[in-house]
Amino acid sequence: EVQLVQSGAEVKKPGESLKISCKASGYKFTDHWIGWVRQMPGKGLEWVGMIFPEDSDIRYSPSLQGQVSISADKSINTAFLQWSSLKASDTGIYYCARQDTANGLDFWGQGTLVTVSS
Amino acid sequence: SYDLTQPPSVSVSPGQTATITCSGDKLGHKYNCWYQKRPGQSPVLVIYQNNKRPSGIPERFSGSNSGNTATLTISGTQTMDEADYYCQAWDSASVVFGGGTQLTVL
Repeated sequence: EVQLVQSGAEVKKPGESLKISCKASGYKFTDHWIGWVRQMPGKGLEWVGMIFPEDSDIRYSPSLQGQVSISADKSINTAFLQWSSLKASDTGIYYCARQDTANGLDFWGQGTLVTVSS
Repeated sequence: SYDLTQPPSVSVSPGQTATITCSGDKLGHKYNCWYQKRPGQSPVLVIYQNNKRPSGIPERFSGSNSGNTATLTISGTQTMDEADYYCQAWDSASVVFGGGTQLTVL
């Protein structure tokens, strides 16, 4: 059974750093891209970026390039999303998903709520 | 950047057919997917490759994609289908989502 299990909710202050995780199981981690999608309060789904764990090929949404960093550790089947300096506008729910050009984002994590507030 | 446009809301009576559209330049030339998003839950893929249903998705969900418009059709809509629906396509190795359509069943 394919599962993506994300780390728990976070409450941070502006300017702080953060790294959230997404642990995959039930399939070969290095065979599929992992994508990150955010949903800000009251808004729609927004693609953040993706990583191919086999070679760490990374693509970012043009609108979010430079604001976040995506990485993966294939030894522990885990992908990460990281911020070096959070802003209040980073508040939202962040989902990871297994993704494939032909098959879409077919399995999703449970989401990580990130709250940035002073 | 590539844009996908959806109507903000669609209403349907139980048992009737709901149709949600998604418009984008030459969208019919791209693979298109649809996701169901209920409040407090993770998105669920309901259509991929324009018209395929993942395992476990009811047959009442169907999709089409031609020209500049993709369409999600829900036949015999049930109250449990009330949710937000998002279309998605690929553009230049990036994932693009539509703005979402709130489906109300009443």
